[in-house]
Amino acid sequence: EAGVAQSPRYKIIEKRQSVAFWCNPISGHATLYWYQQILGQGPKLLIQFQNNGVVDDSQLPKDRFSAERLKGVDSTLKIQPAKLEDSAVYLCASSPEGYGTEPQHFGDGTRLSIL
Amino acid sequence: AQSVAQPEDQVNVAEGNPLTVKCTYSVSGNPYLFWYVQYPNRGLQFLLKYITGDNLVKGSYGFEAEFNKSQTSFHLKKPSALVSDSALYFCAVNPGANNLFFGTGTRLTVIP
Repeated sequence: EAGVAQSPRYKIIEKRQSVAFWCNPISGHATLYWYQQILGQGPKLLIQFQNNGVVDDSQLPKDRFSAERLKGVDSTLKIQPAKLEDSAVYLCASSPEGYGTEPQHFGDGTRLSIL
Repeated sequence: AQSVAQPEDQVNVAEGNPLTVKCTYSVSGNPYLFWYVQYPNRGLQFLLKYITGDNLVKGSYGFEAEFNKSQTSFHLKKPSALVSDSALYFCAVNPGANNLFFGTGTRLTVIP
């Protein structure tokens, strides 16, 4: 089966600019996650979707970050405006049903650098 | 509050020797425990999980992990390390809801 697809792989922008990341989960997976991985740290959940509904966005900085999954398939994460501390790898993951017992399948991520 | 600790930032082991990567957790209730591996410029790959039952679980690439409830630990092990095992390893815990909480990672280097 095809894995989780993310694009772009790398992005460099200046602070206060906007940026968007795209994720296409494994076909048939109902649950989609966006994580932020800062260098030297483990991934931190930003938002979780179940189909096209938000399950958890408690860690999403809503003043600058937004995410959508309109048709319950692919998803977009946006940052506007970007800050220096947003430099990180943004990982997308998916799982079949979102049960806590399921492993999550990760894409290769988008590495964001803020100048 | 849920937390996961990986006390060693770096583990070095000689090829062919056994390896252990340590993980302890602090979670209320009965958590689900996972190990993931990350290679350079790649996403995380699932290695193994503990949900319930036998405390020793086996996973991909010859890895296994031992769940110890009294010590709240879930150490990753492999009897004989390969150079290709060199990577970043993350322990993660799901406290029973939907969220995964990750440790800070342990970089494993296997020396030829």
